[in-house]
Amino acid sequence: DGGITQSPKYLFRKEGQNVTLSCEQNLNHDAMYWYRQDPGQGLRLIYYSQIVNDFQKGDIAEGYSVSREKKESFPLTVTSAQKNPTAFYLCASSIISARVGNQPQHFGDGTRLSIL
Amino acid sequence: QKEVEQNSGPLSVPEGAIASLNCTYSDRGSQSFFWYRQYSGKSPELIMSIYSNGDKEDGRFTAQLNKASQYVSLLIRDSQPSDSATYLCAVKGTGTASKLTFGTGTRLQVTL
Repeated sequence: DGGITQSPKYLFRKEGQNVTLSCEQNLNHDAMYWYRQDPGQGLRLIYYSQIVNDFQKGDIAEGYSVSREKKESFPLTVTSAQKNPTAFYLCASSIISARVGNQPQHFGDGTRLSIL
Repeated sequence: QKEVEQNSGPLSVPEGAIASLNCTYSDRGSQSFFWYRQYSGKSPELIMSIYSNGDKEDGRFTAQLNKASQYVSLLIRDSQPSDSATYLCAVKGTGTASKLTFGTGTRLQVTL
């Protein structure tokens, strides 16, 4: 089945530790995105990538890093510099097209990150 | 001013009634609009997209777009308890590549 796979589903971070969240898609989508969602809040964009080996900061990139070495994969590292990492992290992907109407984003099931 | 605004709710409607969810946006050049449904503890699921002024119907869902007034709405007919969720409005603005801007969502409660 085509889709977006995020792992792990739950992750715990110790103080001072970096952790990496995995996101893989087999939809052949060009663009991939990482969002953070806090309880009762909307989605805030962390990073996005529209092409391999290129990515851009979103609205809340501080304390996070990403890589895009393959079209299918867009891992997110939550570094120790992110002082409040507890949240629900969502990965999404989409086609990029100049045509209007071809760009909805589809989401993985998410990863819940908590501080130990 | 927030770029995409939604009333956080909760919006409570009785089973079988019509639920009306509204969203306003600030970027007048926006061209693509999406509604996502998010159940508690789950990821958002795309339920409707709309790109032209007017109405677009899909089963019990109707999306309405008015670009002159910069609002988009979602109507849910014959509301069911299973429709109880948070509904997120997302807008693709101008000059933003493939990025979407999300509202904070409206929580809908369908009561028996």
